[in-house]
Amino acid sequence: EDQVTQSPEALRLQEGESSSLNCSYTVSGLRGLFWYRQDPGKGPEFLFTLYSAGEEKEKERLKATLTKKESFLHITAPKPEDSATYLCAVQPLIYNQGGKLIFGQGTELSVKP
Amino acid sequence: KAGVTQTPRYLIKTRGQQVTLSCSPISGHRSVSWYQQTPGQGLQFLFEYFSETQRNKGNFPGRFSGRQFSNSRSEMNVSTLELGDSALYLCASSLRLATDTQYFGPGTRLTVL
Repeated sequence: EDQVTQSPEALRLQEGESSSLNCSYTVSGLRGLFWYRQDPGKGPEFLFTLYSAGEEKEKERLKATLTKKESFLHITAPKPEDSATYLCAVQPLIYNQGGKLIFGQGTELSVKP
Repeated sequence: KAGVTQTPRYLIKTRGQQVTLSCSPISGHRSVSWYQQTPGQGLQFLFEYFSETQRNKGNFPGRFSGRQFSNSRSEMNVSTLELGDSALYLCASSLRLATDTQYFGPGTRLTVL
């Protein structure tokens, strides 16, 4: 069964304290892995798409990496405005599955000034 | 460019009633997917539409249905509402197929009393 597990469930950081979020997945063929950010009461905001092992993407203080079994979202020198829930999702490479995204439970990040 | 819009944003219904939610995709996007988000189950895939055709469906009962119109706008309907249907319903649009990056709307918060 296709599955996505994110850890930790919650992470509290001081401003400027770098860390990483983990997304482990089991899927019968990976079309793509997606990272989203979700603020309370809002819909998920797209951050990155990764397609193959070894791929890396960067945006401001965020960097996403992908291996065959997991992805990491590295946050460098975070600021309070980076506080949000970060969601990881995989898109299985199965013809009749279309674009279905399978989401992890998310990591709730809190950055204190 | 305007993002995905969903109406209404908030809805309160009672058990046994039915509800219709609306989604307008990003201009030029042709694929629409729907997800249900609850604290216990997280984000779960409901269905996906492209060119007015349902291409994929998640593991939800037949009370959940949807459709897409020729202008790519989509509606989802839930009949005979149950307390457990209380959730944030999210719509996502993609440029072509749903295998492209999915951009989410703000969601409709449905409360069933």
